[in-house]
Amino acid sequence: QKEVEQDPGPLSVPEGAIVSLNCTYSNSAFQYFMWYRQYSRKGPELLMYTYSSGNKEDGRFTAQVDKSSKYISLFIRDSQPSDSATYLCAMYSSASKIIFGSGTRLSIRP
Amino acid sequence: EAQVTQNPRYLITVTGKKLTVTCSQNMNHEYMSWYRQDPGLGLRQIYYSMNVEVTDKGDVPEGYKVSRKEKRNFPLILESPSPNQTSLYFCASKLRTGGGEQYFGPGTRLTVT
Repeated sequence: QKEVEQDPGPLSVPEGAIVSLNCTYSNSAFQYFMWYRQYSRKGPELLMYTYSSGNKEDGRFTAQVDKSSKYISLFIRDSQPSDSATYLCAMYSSASKIIFGSGTRLSIRP
Repeated sequence: EAQVTQNPRYLITVTGKKLTVTCSQNMNHEYMSWYRQDPGLGLRQIYYSMNVEVTDKGDVPEGYKVSRKEKRNFPLILESPSPNQTSLYFCASKLRTGGGEQYFGPGTRLTVT
């Protein structure tokens, strides 16, 4: 079993929809959580960084961490065609290296 | 502008010809790392460095070397490249080993024929 599981998709939604992207993990020591957006042939771009449990909002993006369920989510409100990309979750503890999910490919239909 | 830069962005080479991919960051980060990304395999860490003169192997270090003589630079060296090292390579950095956001460079697409 992988330490971090992420549904590869593809996920296709209409423009304006709320998108929910998720990752589950098995290592209860993970404390730091990140979401990246990666366009084709480009470097991953950091979207959200959170420490421990709770919610964090930045514009149309909200990151949620539920450590009791070992589950993290990224919500995108009012999705736009420009949000079409692969989204990667990543997480680590102070004693571990960063573990990445395999990425979810998202497509926003105009 | 705070950033991680890599050079070259694209490289085609032949088997056995030594090459170096440079990486530089201007954020005074202690921690730097190299990844390769392959279809179906995701991001895999090659080497990382927790500070100057401190480097360690990641998940797939075979065939690669690194050095960290200065805080801002972390070059990736392929002494004798082989076709299975054809991949998309990313350098990344973060402030320190424990905690902090990790930022990626734009990537280097390497083809070894």
